[in-house]
Amino acid sequence: DAKTTQPPSMDCAEGRAANLPCNHSTISGNEYVYWYRQIHSQGPQYIIHGLKNNETNEMASLIITEDRKSSTLILPHATLRDTAVYYCIVRVARNNDMRFGAGTRLTVKP
Amino acid sequence: NAGVTQTPKFQVLKTGQSMTLQCAQDMNHEYMSWYRQDPGMGLRLIHYSVGAGITDQGEVPNGYNVSRSTTEDFPLRLLSAAPSQTSVYFCASSRDGSPYNSPLHFGNGTRLTVT
Repeated sequence: DAKTTQPPSMDCAEGRAANLPCNHSTISGNEYVYWYRQIHSQGPQYIIHGLKNNETNEMASLIITEDRKSSTLILPHATLRDTAVYYCIVRVARNNDMRFGAGTRLTVKP
Repeated sequence: NAGVTQTPKFQVLKTGQSMTLQCAQDMNHEYMSWYRQDPGMGLRLIHYSVGAGITDQGEVPNGYNVSRSTTEDFPLRLLSAAPSQTSVYFCASSRDGSPYNSPLHFGNGTRLTVT
């Protein structure tokens, strides 16, 4: 499985865009990049995923570099409720295992 | 859709007791799994199922049993609880077992304490 590297913590001002980076330099051609978040002690929440192209949904945008070795999750207008731990996962395990690392703790400040 | 529902939310057991953590999903998902989350350890896969009647072990299966008699339900049984099983347990489901394009949907967890 490809491994990911994320900064341990980030701050963002409320109303501004939050850009969360992820490095996955050993990603292989058929591996998707997934983003989840976990708010306090709730269950992980799926945000978005992609293979090669940039993706956007109602929650966020995912920008994947052309060489696929890194990606950025963008929350366009962060709110206080976006304070959470964000996980970038590259997944191809046969058993569909989702290997969560330490993630990035995003704190949105007023 | 209620999504993935886990019961109970909290549970305290004494060492040696047994219990079943319930998980149900109403999305007609084929794939279901159980994780435990411990501080500093991330989520670790306990057992998973790719469809009714099929189960398999994950990374940390010892001390746990599962069954999948219906598509909707995937209970996790602790056979003889130990303090090392104190953790937060999450159930998850996805449309199918493909890791490529099938996001996992998680329940809100069961917080288990074994004394």
